[in-house]
Amino acid sequence: DAGITQSPRHKVTETGTPVTLRCHQTENHRYMYWYRQDPGHGLRLIHYSYGVKDTDKGEVSDGYSVSRSKTEDFLLTLESATSSQTSVYFCAISDQGGGTEAFFGQGTRLTVV
Amino acid sequence: GENVGLHLPTLSVQEGDNSIINCAYSNSASDYFIWYKQESGKGPQFIIDIRSNMDKRQGQRVTVLLNKTVKHLSLQIAATQPGDSAVYFCAETNGTYKYIFGTGTRLKVLA
Repeated sequence: DAGITQSPRHKVTETGTPVTLRCHQTENHRYMYWYRQDPGHGLRLIHYSYGVKDTDKGEVSDGYSVSRSKTEDFLLTLESATSSQTSVYFCAISDQGGGTEAFFGQGTRLTVV
Repeated sequence: GENVGLHLPTLSVQEGDNSIINCAYSNSASDYFIWYKQESGKGPQFIIDIRSNMDKRQGQRVTVLLNKTVKHLSLQIAATQPGDSAVYFCAETNGTYKYIFGTGTRLKVLA
């Protein structure tokens, strides 16, 4: 399995609180992605990174921010969590972006109450 | 995750039979396609991929077929086993950094 670790694996938080999810890779892959997975929607891209300090928005980026200060770590922050952000979040990595397969972490189940 | 399969089409197959899972992709410019398997509570796992210059690619017990004319992708699993029970979905890319994922099909293997 690709070396991808997501933390925490589960989190319950209250509406309005900030939350940061971490993705750590040991593969030295250039591209990193954050997705959310909800019933009926499949995987939707929140943000992605194509290098250190190089990030861009995905299709559902509102309410989320990201940072990548080093190759191995990609952080996803919910500045003020809302119930609509209750979801399962997956981090993915890819060596060459869309030209090769993406490998996924085990996911973080986030519940906003 | 556990909530992935709630609203998905389901394919039920007898153990030992072959399974065929289909996917219609959206972009005629897509040139790379991937099949993933997702078991309950786990992240998607790469199964097999195919590039647009190919029509067929085989792996261990799996075959992917690509029909660019009708923008259709299929995954064939030979001699389906209980461990094959999962959600399967396709992904497409068109040379950009992004992947577009289908919503998936749930495969149930009947003993």
